[in-house]
Amino acid sequence: NAGVTQTPKFQVLKTGQSMTLQCAQDMNHEYMSWYRQDPGMGLRLIHYSVGAGITDQGEVPNGYNVSRSTTEDFPLRLLSAAPSQTSVYFCASSLDLRGPYNEQFFGPGTRLTVL
Amino acid sequence: AQRVTQPEKLLSVFKGAPVELKCNYSYSGSPELFWYVQYSRQRLQLLLRHISRESIKGFTADLNKGETSFHLKKPFAQEEDSAMYYCALSGGSQGNLIFGKGTKLSVKP
Repeated sequence: NAGVTQTPKFQVLKTGQSMTLQCAQDMNHEYMSWYRQDPGMGLRLIHYSVGAGITDQGEVPNGYNVSRSTTEDFPLRLLSAAPSQTSVYFCASSLDLRGPYNEQFFGPGTRLTVL
Repeated sequence: AQRVTQPEKLLSVFKGAPVELKCNYSYSGSPELFWYVQYSRQRLQLLLRHISRESIKGFTADLNKGETSFHLKKPFAQEEDSAMYYCALSGGSQGNLIFGKGTKLSVKP
């Protein structure tokens, strides 16, 4: 199993450009989420999905869109990139939404720079 | 409000010294707590969960409900323990993990 995969690994955008960060998992997990990691801020939830066709906003959703057409894929779209979106983005998946034995599996991350 | 606090951004110790990474939480219900670790150039991964009461790579963490803490401890630090450590609480309104801001542990030879 590849686990959680993300593409691209690195990306540089100009302000106003749009792009899609790809995330896929092969563990048949229902729950998938996107986080951004910024220095001194930890990981903050952007959007999440509890299954195909169901998505919802997290803590910092502005400027991002998501969709979940299949169990495996959960792309994150930046509509009009801004320098404040410069960050490292992590996709994660888990079998359950919550629970003391729950474990989230993370992708390797995408480092995005917006000029 | 649900919150996880890691008061130290950076913790530097010498090899063989004891290490304690602090984590305090704020949560009204019964907390589900985890420690995640991110080694250099590797992905974030689960280190341990409070419910399991296990020792992983020599690390332990005890949930103290009275002090609302879940500190991570290891009696003798090793250089390979150098990493970023995140304490996380499962209890967001959406059921998601709430992460602390992380503590960077540096173990010097």
